[in-house]
Amino acid sequence: EAQVTQNPRYLITVTGKKLTVTCSQNMNHEYMSWYRQDPGLGLRQIYYSMNVEVTDKGDVPEGYKVSRKEKRNFPLILESPSPNQTSLYFCASSSQGLSNQPQHFGDGTRLSIL
Amino acid sequence: AQKITQTQPGMFVQEKEAVTLDCTYDTSDQSYGLFWYKQPSSGEMIFLIYQGSYDEQNATEGRYSLNFQKARKSANLVISASQLGDSAMYFCGYAGAGSYQLTFGKGTKLSVIP
Repeated sequence: EAQVTQNPRYLITVTGKKLTVTCSQNMNHEYMSWYRQDPGLGLRQIYYSMNVEVTDKGDVPEGYKVSRKEKRNFPLILESPSPNQTSLYFCASSSQGLSNQPQHFGDGTRLSIL
Repeated sequence: AQKITQTQPGMFVQEKEAVTLDCTYDTSDQSYGLFWYKQPSSGEMIFLIYQGSYDEQNATEGRYSLNFQKARKSANLVISASQLGDSAMYFCGYAGAGSYQLTFGKGTKLSVIP
């Protein structure tokens, strides 16, 4: 089954404790992306990757890091989480041609930073 | 980033009636794609429908259709014969050709009344 898998689905942690949210896709997609969703703000792009070892900032990259060492994986790293990073996070992937290919989304990760 | 506007924070519709969710976009791109996603209360993002800027016909997918008015820069989602399961958040998205960013509106919460 074609899917994007995020882990963990839920996490409650404390300020400053490094965490990683993993994302894996099995569709051989070149493009992957991370979004955060906050009430009243919709989905905002954090980082994206056009292919292995190629990443770039989205609209809200501050406080986040990413890496793309393998095509299927695109982890999101919070080196020193803060309460304003409490949010619902989505990973998504698509084949090249973002303007004519829908993105496949993971089920989301709810992060609470205390 | 391109600006996507969904002017209806919340909408109510009677079961079995049709409903239109508004989406306007601001762009100078000639080639682009427009997308609608549904987010039920369980949180996942479900792709509904796509419209390319050069498509002459309005896109349709089952009960979903996209009323695309290019000159007005609008891409409204029409849901026919609403069902209780249509109650959800709906997001409009835009991606320009050659872009690696998908920009979303802030969403419309649709509630279907029995």
